This record gives sequence, C-alpha cells and structure tokens, in this order.
Amino acid sequence: DQQVKQNSPSLSVQEGRISILNCDYTNSMFDYFLWYKKYPAEGPTFLISISSIKDKNEDGRFTVFLNKSAKHLSLHIVPSQPGDSAVYFCAGAGTYKYIFGTGTRLKVLA
Amino acid sequence: DTAVSQTPKYLVTQMGNDKSIKCEQNLGHDTMYWYKQDSKKFLKIMFSYNNKELIINETVPNRFSPKSPDKAHLNLHINSLELGDSAVYFCASSQEPGATGELFFGEGSRLTVL
Repeated sequence: DQQVKQNSPSLSVQEGRISILNCDYTNSMFDYFLWYKKYPAEGPTFLISISSIKDKNEDGRFTVFLNKSAKHLSLHIVPSQPGDSAVYFCAGAGTYKYIFGTGTRLKVLA
Repeated sequence: DTAVSQTPKYLVTQMGNDKSIKCEQNLGHDTMYWYKQDSKKFLKIMFSYNNKELIINETVPNRFSPKSPDKAHLNLHINSLELGDSAVYFCASSQEPGATGELFFGEGSRLTVL
C-alpha cells in the first residue's frame, strides 16, 4: 500500500526553465509534507516542507504547493540550475513516521 | 562535524552471517529511525525510536534487531543475512516526529550480501 506516489520516475528540463515535480498521497492524516533531494552515494537532504493546513510555501527558488482536496503536492524550482540535477523524494509526515514516495530523477540540461 | 553519522559506509558479507550498522546523532533529537532503500530505490521505514523506546516496527523480520543504548544512538543488528537484505540502510533523526517536518539523514550504509 503506497501512501505516497511519485508517478514520474524522471524529468528533464532546460537550465533556467521551471521544473515541476509532482506527488500524490492517499493518507489524509499526514501533518506535514516534505521534499528531499538526494545525490548518489549521499543521504537525502531536506529542501522544503509544508504544513497540511497551508497551500503554499516558498523558499528562494523552491515553492511547494499543496492541494488537499486532490491529495496532491508539487515542487516548483525556478530557475532550474544544473546543480539541481538529483533524485527528489516527497514525503508525508505523521506521528513517528515519514512515508516517502519512490522519487523523481531530475536532470537539468545546460 | 556530521550531524547523523553511520558506520560502516560499505559492508560486504556472506549469506548467513550476522552484521551490525551503528548510528549516532549529535543534534540532540529525541527520535531516530532506520530506513531501507532497496534496488527499486524505494525509501521504506523500518523502525522508529523515541527516547530509546521502540515506537514503530514496520513488519520487519525479527532477524533485524534495533538497539538504542541512549537517545543519541540507534544501532541495527541483522542476523542470518539473506540475499534480499542487500540494500542501502539510512539512519535518520528528528526533533519531534512530524512537528518541525525536518528529518535528518545519515549518508547511508550499503550492505551487499553474497
């Protein structure tokens, strides 16, 4: 039972353009949603989060949007940079548990 | 000065052996976790501990035994290793589960069972 899904395994975007990564969830009990970035041979690192009571959170080039009625969240990166090339995981957070999606590999082309 | 550190980073062993992975966090967090990333790259929670107490065991075989001697350490011991145990194991910690939203990960320990 996959409570958090990322249906696009990969995405390629031109440098300077917007990257949009999508995530769907089924568990309405999540308190927070988070996005993580992962480079090869490293642990995931936190990017940005959003409370389940908000619909948008922005931090520099990164914006996360939450649509609770659709159980959907998205991460917008603008402008995209080659250093953003990594695997991005979304996660739902509830008490003592963070549930991750399967990740989307983003490639930003120079 | 690594916030969440785990050792060893790489581990190659034979089927049937017993091995341990150690994890330490210096962030003063109350909650620690073990995650497994399998060949499909799916990050799956195995255990969570809060102040040395087991909170969540996600139907992990009892060959896996976590031990938390204090709230800064959460070690993972695996008995009778099987081929399917080959994966990258990530330790993580958080201040309060789901409260601030941020989970800090170690660099991962790649276990290969031959």
